[in-house]
Formats: sequence, structure tokens, C-alpha cells
Amino acid sequence: GQQVMQIPQYQHVQEGEDFTTYCNSSTTLSNIQWYKQRPGGHPVFLIQLVKSGEVKKQKRLTFQFGEAKKNSSLHITATQTTDVGTYFCSPLSMYSGGGADGLTFGKGTHLIIQP
Amino acid sequence: NAGVTQTPKFQVLKTGQSMTLQCAQDMNHNSMYWYRQDPGMGLRLIYYSASEGTTDKGEVPNGYNVSRLNKREFSLRLESAAPSQTSVYFCASGQGSRTEAFFGQGTRLTVV
Repeated sequence: GQQVMQIPQYQHVQEGEDFTTYCNSSTTLSNIQWYKQRPGGHPVFLIQLVKSGEVKKQKRLTFQFGEAKKNSSLHITATQTTDVGTYFCSPLSMYSGGGADGLTFGKGTHLIIQP
Repeated sequence: NAGVTQTPKFQVLKTGQSMTLQCAQDMNHNSMYWYRQDPGMGLRLIYYSASEGTTDKGEVPNGYNVSRLNKREFSLRLESAAPSQTSVYFCASGQGSRTEAFFGQGTRLTVV
């Protein structure tokens, strides 16, 4: 499967602080998806990035796709307790065939928020 | 819509027992996936089915078999359960790897 490094593995922040997680690939990607999993829950799709240099925002969340399409980041501004969970990236190699591949995931970043 | 439904939600097996995890989706998706989730390991793909009638191995297929029974249903079978298969199993579906995946609620399996 697609090899990606997701960092950090764990991040502790005070409520109100910002948070960023990174997903880095050694090969060029076709697209990248981001998912969130609340404790005890199942992964839920957040967004998909396709274009080089793309930036998308969802309220306090900002997603970026690198110019070389080898890395991506998710930034949360002013974290709230509802942001607690694990954030996963799911990359798709540009060498994959026709979208009929298995979706693979990075190991995730666990966001822990201290009130 | 129910989305993706997995059964059972919890299961305890003895080593060597067999069982089948069921998954059904009502979104008319072509692709279906089985994952296992272990602490510190993220989501690892076991098997997937890109369309009805096809199945392919993922990252960790050993010890598992799958059946794409029809477009709606994709089952995961453990023929002889081992303690190393203790995990949370998720089924997901989507219209391919270039579109979002929808996950079931998960099955928590313990093998003793």
C-alpha cells in the first residue's frame, strides 16, 4: 500500500491552542483524503484534496496539499474539546489504476485536549 | 438510510474457532473494504472489493478470507481465530479510491 508518514503520533494541547498534523509521502500523490475518528467511534470523512497547492477550509480547519503533491497538512485553529480524536490521512498514489484500489491510511495523529 | 451496517458489534472467540463478520451497505457503492484497527497501528486494510465479483488482498490478509456476496454485502471470515486477531474491525464502502469512504460502527473482536 501507499507508504506515508503521519506526524506527530500524539499531540497534547491546551484548549484554545492551535494544532497541526502532517502527512508526508515519498511518492507523488493523485489525491489525499482526511478523516476524523472520535474516541470509541468510526472514521468519518472530512475532505479530499486533488490539486497541487490546494487549500480548503472548513470553519476552524484548514487543509493544504503541497505544491509537489507529496505532503499535506491539517491545521485546527483554537482547538475545542469537540476536536478530540484521531486524524487520519488517506493518500492515493498517482500510479494507482483507475480508482479501483484499496484505500490505505496513515497511522493517525491522536489529538488530546487539556481544558 | 442505514449506511454501512456491521454485525456483530462485539464478539469473544476461543482460539481456533471460526466466525464471519457481516457487512452490508445500502448506498449502491461499488467498492467495499475491511480494516482492522490496533493501538498505535492505525487502520490497516485486510481485503477490499472494487466491484461486485472481485476481491483483492490488502496490507494484512493472512488469516482472513472474504466474500463479496452481492453488491450490498461483503463478509470477512476468520477460519481459525488466533489471539493476534484480537482487534476492532471496520467495514467501509465507497465509489472507489478517489471518493470518500463511509465506515460502519465497527466490531470489537476478542480472541482468548
